[in-house]
Amino acid sequence: AQSVAQPEDQVNVAEGNPLTVKCTYSVSGNPYLFWYVQYPNRGLQFLLKYITGDNLVKGSYGFEAEFNKSQTSFHLKKPSALVSDSALYFCAVRVSGSARQLTFGSGTQLTVLP
Amino acid sequence: ETGVTQTPRHLVMGMTNKKSLKCEQHLGHNAMYWYKQSAKKPLELMFVYSLEERVENNSVPSRFSPECPNSSHLFLHLHTLQPEDSALYLCASSPGQGAAYSADTQYFGPGTRLTVL
Repeated sequence: AQSVAQPEDQVNVAEGNPLTVKCTYSVSGNPYLFWYVQYPNRGLQFLLKYITGDNLVKGSYGFEAEFNKSQTSFHLKKPSALVSDSALYFCAVRVSGSARQLTFGSGTQLTVLP
Repeated sequence: ETGVTQTPRHLVMGMTNKKSLKCEQHLGHNAMYWYKQSAKKPLELMFVYSLEERVENNSVPSRFSPECPNSSHLFLHLHTLQPEDSALYLCASSPGQGAAYSADTQYFGPGTRLTVL
């Protein structure tokens, strides 16, 4: 089985402040974890993924995410938010070596206030 | 986004119409996907194709009919749709499909915004 939860529907942060978008997962096996971003009227854009190795993954546009196996989390972070980061963010999970398809979370709307 | 293109970007159709959505990927990938995105709901996987063969059909109503003539093109044929089918339909592709490709990244097109009247 595999599932992913994004506990916050909405996150607001002031421009220049650090941002965190939360994601927790549940899998039977080793997880592959992904973050995507969706701007209005656009498709999903890949940000980063964790496959193996270093728990801190760096991705596009200054985003990074930390894989925490004990807490089954993969939170997305950025040290200094930009207004242009305002978008819908999706976490997704897939079990390593599984034919089962990618499972997406319900999304978190990030709003960065000027 | 130029890696995966979708046409049309917007479509309004009546319940008795027949229309088709088109997806094309320029990434040399072997797997293609159709997703449905409705407001306030997680992405719903509809169909998966690998090397032009359908490998997954997630209990999608028969009014949605996919077609994959080659590994670069994917169609979704629509007929006698219902208003609840109004949504953003997203196409994606990935290098491969199956357990050996479970680390693959999926790349998405911009979507077709479908409205059924």
